[in-house]
Amino acid sequence: DAGVTQSPTHLIKTRGQQVTLRCSPKSGHDTVSWYQQALGQGPQFIFQYYEEEERQRGNFPDRFSGHQFPNYSSELNVNALLLGDSALYLCASSSLQEGNTIYFGEGSWLTVV
Amino acid sequence: DAKTTQPTSMDCAEGRAANLPCNHSTISGNEYVYWYRQIHSQGPQYIIHGLKNNETNEMASLIITEDRKSSTLILPHATLRDTAVYYCIVSNAGGTSYGKLTFGQGTILTVHP
Repeated sequence: DAGVTQSPTHLIKTRGQQVTLRCSPKSGHDTVSWYQQALGQGPQFIFQYYEEEERQRGNFPDRFSGHQFPNYSSELNVNALLLGDSALYLCASSSLQEGNTIYFGEGSWLTVV
Repeated sequence: DAKTTQPTSMDCAEGRAANLPCNHSTISGNEYVYWYRQIHSQGPQYIIHGLKNNETNEMASLIITEDRKSSTLILPHATLRDTAVYYCIVSNAGGTSYGKLTFGQGTILTVHP
């Protein structure tokens, strides 16, 4: 049983560009959350998707958007990239029907130059 | 979600038990205590969680005080591979904050030979 998988693992973008990160949740999980982790900091909650809708959102600007597909996979999009967006982006999945445990993927390292 | 307080760093000798404390004095009755760890450059790994009873799994034990204002994560026989940042998180699992984890700075545990 595959856990949470994310792609790509590493990428480099130029300031002002747009990026899309992808996540496949753990089998049986229907809720996907995204986190941003800057170097030396703990992960910060960006937003959460359930039933293809954004259910909760952290303190992130509208440049950060997402999508959830019918198969529960999800994308995180960031527009007009800033140098400060350089971070590890983590996807986490969960399901109330399968208990309260939240599992994380290995993340996508984004470097903005 | 309630705030948690953890020591910045701790050391442990290989083969000995590692006891990581966490204070969560403002925890609410429906909030769970979660523990995750993060090894450098990897996604957070779920360890254990509990509501009010002590919990044990193949990785660790979680001891929650009777008033639920503090807890201790116990790694019974620490190995070098247990060196990581350990996060204690309080979350209203199943409630309005479902799936949203608020990470602090965590405890850097160093296991030495």
